[in-house]
Amino acid sequence: EDQVTQSPEALRLQEGESSSLNCSYTVSGLRGLFWYRQDPGKGPEFLFTLYSAGEEKEKERLKATLTKKESFLHITAPKPEDSATYLCAVQARMNDMRFGAGTRLTVKP
Amino acid sequence: GAVVSQHPSWVICKSGTSVKIECRSLDFQATTMFWYRQFPKQSLMLMATSNEGSKATYEQGVEKDKFLINHASLTLSTLTVTSAHPEDSSFYICSATKLGLAGGQETQYFGPGTRLLVL
Repeated sequence: EDQVTQSPEALRLQEGESSSLNCSYTVSGLRGLFWYRQDPGKGPEFLFTLYSAGEEKEKERLKATLTKKESFLHITAPKPEDSATYLCAVQARMNDMRFGAGTRLTVKP
Repeated sequence: GAVVSQHPSWVICKSGTSVKIECRSLDFQATTMFWYRQFPKQSLMLMATSNEGSKATYEQGVEKDKFLINHASLTLSTLTVTSAHPEDSSFYICSATKLGLAGGQETQYFGPGTRLLVL
């Protein structure tokens, strides 16, 4: 059965303190791995899609990487406005996306 | 970009009434739309998948007669919560799939969500 596990469940950082969020997955045949950001009371905002092991994508202070078993979302020198819940989702079949439980990131000034 | 809108953004209703939520893809035609619900501090729970012009596919445990989905066009899907009860209070989020230029690569773009409170 396809599974997506995100860790840690919650992460508190000081402004400027870089760290990484993990998304481990078990799927048979990965079509794509997605990262979203969700602010309280809002819908998820698309960040990245990764399709194959070794692929990396960057956007401002965020960098996503992918291996055959997991993905990391690296946050470099985070700012308070980066505080949000970060969701990982994997897709093994068309129109079938499985979400992890998310990592709640809090960045203190 | 890919923008998905939902209406209303929040709704309060009395127990026993029905509530309709609209989901629209504003700048692209969506091959498929999805409906999720989310409880506080929990992740998204897929309720159903809908394709334009066909019946929705519901996830196990989701009552299709209670959560009616109509996908009238490639840009509009509606979710109607029939005979709503307090336990139906939740955050309902839709998403729409946009195909990439290369084909076979699809991304789900989410709406802003609708908060439903049933009294």
